[in-house]
Amino acid sequence: GENVEQHPSTLSVQEGDSAVIKCTYSDSASNYFPWYKQELGKRPQLIIDIRSNVGEKKDQRIAVTLNKTAKHFSLHITETQPEDSAVYFCAASKTAGNKLTFGGGTRVLVKP
Amino acid sequence: DTEVTQTPKHLVMGMTNKKSLKCEQHMGHRAMYWYKQKAKKPPELMFVYSYEKLSINESVPSRFSPECPNSSLLNLHLHALQPEDSALYLCASSLPERNTEAFFGQGTRLTVV
Repeated sequence: GENVEQHPSTLSVQEGDSAVIKCTYSDSASNYFPWYKQELGKRPQLIIDIRSNVGEKKDQRIAVTLNKTAKHFSLHITETQPEDSAVYFCAASKTAGNKLTFGGGTRVLVKP
Repeated sequence: DTEVTQTPKHLVMGMTNKKSLKCEQHMGHRAMYWYKQKAKKPPELMFVYSYEKLSINESVPSRFSPECPNSSLLNLHLHALQPEDSALYLCASSLPERNTEAFFGQGTRLTVV
C-alpha cells in the first residue's frame, strides 16, 4: 500500500519567516495530494491540495509543489504568523472514494 | 452547509458497554469515512462507505461495527472495547469521484475505562 513520509516532525520559526514541510510517497499511482492543518483539539482542515497534472499551486501565503518523478511534494508557508502554529499533515490518495494515507505530521510553532 | 457533524463530542465507556458514534452531513456527499486518531499521530483510516455500501475495511477488529443507514448518516457501533481503543474518532465525507476534498467532523473523543 501507499506510504507517506513527512519531515520535519517539528519546526520552529520566527514570525515573518518562511516554513517548508516536505513529504515523499511510495505509490506512483497516487494522484491527489492534500495538506491538512489541525489545531489542538480541533478537526483536520484542508488548507491546499494539488493534483498530479499540476506542478505548483499557490493560495495567498501558502504554496504547494509536486515532483511526480521524484515522488515528493512540499508545503511552503511565507510570512508566518502565530496563528499558523498547528500540526500540518500531508496526505496522498489514488482511489475513487478518496482513501487518504497521511504523513506523520509536522508540529509548527511560530514564535512572535 | 459545509459541515460534518459528529455526536457525542466526548464519550467515556466501560469495557462491557455498548455505545454508538454518529456522523451526519448534508452536502450530498456519497462517500463517508471513519478515521481513528491517537494523540500526536496522524488519522488512520478504518472504514469507507461509498453510495451507502462498505467499500473498504482496513482490518478493523469486529468490536467496531460501522453502519450507513442512508446517504447522510454514518454510525460506528462500539462493543467490548479495550482501553487502547481510546482515541479521537473522526468522521469525514467527500464526493465519491476521484481526487476530491474530504471534509472532517470535529471528532468524538472516546475514553475506554
